[in-house]
Amino acid sequence: EAGVTQFPSHSVIEKGQTVTLRCDPISGHDNLYWYRRVMGKEIKFLLHFVKESKQDESGMPNNRFLAERTGGTYSTLKVQPAELEDSGVYFCASSFRPGAEAFFGQGTRLTVV
Amino acid sequence: GENVEQHPSTLSVQEGDSAVIKCTYSDSASNYFPWYKQELGKGSQLIIDIRSNVGEKKDQRIAVTLNKTAKHFSLHITETQPEDSAVYFCAAIEGVTGGGNKLTFGTGTQLKVEL
Repeated sequence: EAGVTQFPSHSVIEKGQTVTLRCDPISGHDNLYWYRRVMGKEIKFLLHFVKESKQDESGMPNNRFLAERTGGTYSTLKVQPAELEDSGVYFCASSFRPGAEAFFGQGTRLTVV
Repeated sequence: GENVEQHPSTLSVQEGDSAVIKCTYSDSASNYFPWYKQELGKGSQLIIDIRSNVGEKKDQRIAVTLNKTAKHFSLHITETQPEDSAVYFCAAIEGVTGGGNKLTFGTGTQLKVEL
C-alpha cells in the first residue's frame, strides 16, 4: 500500500513567487494534516482536513497560505506570494480516524531566495 | 494550548550505549504521546507511542516511559547502532476525544551514534 506522498520533494523559488505543494494521503484516510518546520525549529501544526472540509486551520500563519482538498482526496497548499520566512520543510500526514496513528509524507523542502 | 519541551537538542553516544531523550508537556488533558524519527530525505516515521493509561511501553531496543503526575515522558534507546542516528521528535495530542490529531511537537533531538 502506498504511503503518504508529497510533491515536489524540494522547491526553490524567488521571493514574491507562488508555489503549490501537493499531498496525496493514504487511500481511505479522511483526515489530512499539514505541518511545517521552519528554520530548524519545532514542527508546527498548520491545519486539519476531514474529507474536503477544514476541521481546524488555527495554525495557518497568514492569508498568503491557502490549503484545499477538493473531493476529499489529495490536498494542495499554496503560498502566494512567498516570503523568505516561509522557507522550511512542509509535512503532510493522514490518518484513518481522529486519534489513530498519523502517517507522514517525506516532506517538501521549500527554499525561498 | 499545549506546549512541549524536549531535551537535549543534540546527543552523541558511542555505538552500543544507551540514549535517553526527555520531553515535558503542559496540558494535563493530553493523552497520547508518539515519538517520531526523521531521517534525511524521508518522512517522519512513528517509532513508538504511549497512551496515558500506561506508564511504560517497550518495543525491542526502544522504550518509552510516561509520568502523568510530572507531565513528562522519555524515549530510551538501548544498544544504539549507527542507523539510529537521526532527528527524534516527541509529540503530544491535545487530548480531546474525536478532536483529531493536532499534534504539538517538541523541538527535536539530533542523535548521533558514533562508531
